[in-house]
Amino acid sequence: ETGVTQTPRHLVMGMTNKKSLKCEQHLGHNAMYWYKQSAKKPLELMFVYNFKEQTENNSVPSRFSPECPNSSHLFLHLHTLQPEDSALYLCASSQDKEYSSYEQYFGPGTRLTVT
Amino acid sequence: GQNIDQPTEMTATEGAIVQINCTYQTSGFNGLFWYQQHAGEAPTFLSYNVLDGLEEKGRFSSFLSRSKGYSYLLLKELQMKDSASYLCAVVDSNYQLIWGAGTKLIIKP
Repeated sequence: ETGVTQTPRHLVMGMTNKKSLKCEQHLGHNAMYWYKQSAKKPLELMFVYNFKEQTENNSVPSRFSPECPNSSHLFLHLHTLQPEDSALYLCASSQDKEYSSYEQYFGPGTRLTVT
Repeated sequence: GQNIDQPTEMTATEGAIVQINCTYQTSGFNGLFWYQQHAGEAPTFLSYNVLDGLEEKGRFSSFLSRSKGYSYLLLKELQMKDSASYLCAVVDSNYQLIWGAGTKLIIKP
């Protein structure tokens, strides 16, 4: 049990669908992250929230829309995705983004397939 | 650009020792992490190095040389459960984690 939960664990959606991924952390952390993990590629940082404020948006297409209503919850809203968006989407949290020694705690991920 | 290099795959025998290398070129350096990721599971923290030298934690040790842009993860007395991917990640000058693609370690009996 890592203290970070994600739902759903698996998602299949068509290119015209709208869906949302949910992440919740029970660790009292202040920073939350969305990553995309594709086979044999480095983890790609998508978005970072620190104290509920978005601090990073690494040139992510607008079909991905994050939402952070409070320090414990993070959402990723998906619409009009492409097949190349199929990947494992990982959520992570850490005590604070600005301190390099704080490790990130990851959720189990959502395996997304876009058909 | 920023780059983290680690071998794609390694094979080792149960009970043996294996060293997984990581070299990096980043804009600034504020530490290096190693994570373990079993297939279908979340990455989990193994170690953090910010100063040169060897950090030992049970069967796992991590080494850092900042002047060489180099780190390694040493796994001793390998067990079948050590079969996993090992991810190297460097904290750059903006406190952003730059990730390697991971090394898949296969342990054979």
